[in-house]
Amino acid sequence: AQKITQTQPGMFVQEKEAVTLDCTYDTSDPSYGLFWYKQPSSGEMIFLIYQGSYDQQNATEGRYSLNFQKARKSANLVISASQLGDSAMYFCAMREIYTGNQFYFGTGTSLTVIP
Amino acid sequence: DGGITQSPKYLFRKEGQNVTLSCEQNLNHDAMYWYRQDPGQGLRLIYYSQIVNDFQKGDIAEGYSVSREKKESFPLTVTSAQKNPTAFYLCASSGGSDAGWEQYFGPGTRLTVT
Repeated sequence: AQKITQTQPGMFVQEKEAVTLDCTYDTSDPSYGLFWYKQPSSGEMIFLIYQGSYDQQNATEGRYSLNFQKARKSANLVISASQLGDSAMYFCAMREIYTGNQFYFGTGTSLTVIP
Repeated sequence: DGGITQSPKYLFRKEGQNVTLSCEQNLNHDAMYWYRQDPGQGLRLIYYSQIVNDFQKGDIAEGYSVSREKKESFPLTVTSAQKNPTAFYLCASSGGSDAGWEQYFGPGTRLTVT
């Protein structure tokens, strides 16, 4: 079974609008972390936001917020007020704390911001 | 100025040659990782190491080898046994709760084998 599932291969959003990128995960580890990374065309992986499995509040970092629904095992990324520079690939990832410290990545979502 | 360095950024090799990709970190992280990314695809784990002198195979270890003789360094050798070595290779490291749980990535090496 896939540990991380991203069902949107490509998304389009109008500049200044908000967009939600979907991510669901599968784990039996009680302690885990969820991450979102941005990969522009240059190839670098840029860390955006982190959510711990025990965190009560949804994580926010500037224009990025993580909509964490533990019971549904979803960790969607919300980007508010989209900018042209947000056009990139976005990867959701999970780290299982007790089972080897391995990271699992989704297949990614390509986001295009339209002027 | 802490971070992860990978060199070179672009690497060209002839088929049948082994090639070693460098990865160095000065973040004092225990764990280091190597990923392969093909065009339009996600990241696939090649090898990872949680501590010096120890490493584990990832999902696509065949045709690759690693060493972890120092905490700061985790070089990856792409051997001639790797059937399709042309790809983008990313090195990463991670710490524990006091260092932040996320992975930090290097800038990557684009390997082309002809």
